[in-house]
This record gives sequence, structure tokens and C-alpha cells, in this order.
Amino acid sequence: TQLLEQSPQFLSIQEGENLTVYCNSSSVFSSLQWYRQEPGEGPVLLVTVVTGGEVKKLKRLTFQFGDARKDSSLHITAAQTGDTGLYLCAGERSNDYKLSFGAGTTVTVRA
Amino acid sequence: DSGVTQTPKHLITATGQRVTLRCSPRSGDLSVYWYQQSLDQGLQFLIQYYNGEERAKGNILERFSAQQFPDLHSELNLSSLELGDSALYFCASSVGTGAFGELFFGEGSRLTVL
Repeated sequence: TQLLEQSPQFLSIQEGENLTVYCNSSSVFSSLQWYRQEPGEGPVLLVTVVTGGEVKKLKRLTFQFGDARKDSSLHITAAQTGDTGLYLCAGERSNDYKLSFGAGTTVTVRA
Repeated sequence: DSGVTQTPKHLITATGQRVTLRCSPRSGDLSVYWYQQSLDQGLQFLIQYYNGEERAKGNILERFSAQQFPDLHSELNLSSLELGDSALYFCASSVGTGAFGELFFGEGSRLTVL
């Protein structure tokens, strides 16, 4: 079983719609990161959240870290075709130097 | 371009063989991480090195080994290859070790075992 569970696994929406991707765990994380991966490339960091309840905005992307630091969400407003990709959450637990990744959510934005 | 270089990009080999994947981290980064990405398992952490020393170990098989050299480049050795070892192998680097650091990923080495 994955330490971080992402849902949904696949998401296909029309350009201009909104979407939310979830990342959940039973473990507490000292930090949580979101990456986006495009075909043929490695993941690229979008954001790092470290404080429970923290909300970060990156243009049309809004990231939230749960109060208990066990879960996170990524919300995209008015999705564009350029948002298509695999979205991965990754978390690091205290005293654990491993960054563990969720299985990812494949987002497809149709024109 | 993340600044992390991985070679080879593609590799096709047979079961039972041994291969070596190479990674050059970003200039100035001391940590190197190896991950395996497959369709059914997602991105799985294998091992991390910091300034030449092993720092953390994940689900790395005994048939696999890695090391980081004095010039900070790293190699991942995969031996007695099985069909199930076919995957994308990513190397990533970061300045420090853990604690909110951003990982910069290479483009990966795609291994196909026939």
C-alpha cells in the first residue's frame, strides 16, 4: 500500500473547468510537495507546504495542507490544455529522510 | 533543463544481465536520489546519498546497488535482471538532505528487460 493515496487516479475535463486532486495519508508529514510530470520528463516541483492549514496560490493553482498535516489538495481554476500532466504529491515525515510519492493523478484537459 | 544528467536514456537488455545507470547531479547539489517508476507501482524511492555517504534506503532490491563518487556523480547497478525490472529509473538531486528541499529530476533512463 502507498503511504500517500491520491485521488482520483484519472481526471479528464474540458478547458475552462475547475478540478481538485487529493492526497491523503494516515501519517503526519513535516512537509508535503506537489510535482507535475509530463511525458518523457522527470517531475518538476510546483510547491512545498510545511505548516498545517497552509494555503498557497500559484496563479490558477491553489494548494492546501491539512490542519493535521496528513492530507493535501491541489485545486486548478479554469484549467488550460497546458495543465495536462501527471500530478504527484510527495511527503517527508519527521526524522525520515525519504521523500515518498503518491501514485499520481493523470489530468487531461481537453480543448 | 533541470541540470541533472542521466545516461543512458534508453537501454534494452536480456534477463540475467547487469546494467549500470549513471547520474550527474546539478552543480553544487550534494544529495542524489534514485527512484523507480513503473505503471503499477508509481514512483518508488530506492536510495539516497549525501556527499558520498548512504543517507536513506527505500525498497531497493538486493540485486540493486548504488554509490556516489567523490565528484558527486552516482551510479545505480542493476544485476540478475528480471522482466519486472523494466521501468523508468530517475535520478534526482538536491542541495541538502531532506527538510523541505526541492528535488531536481533528470529525464530518466528507460530500462527494458526482454
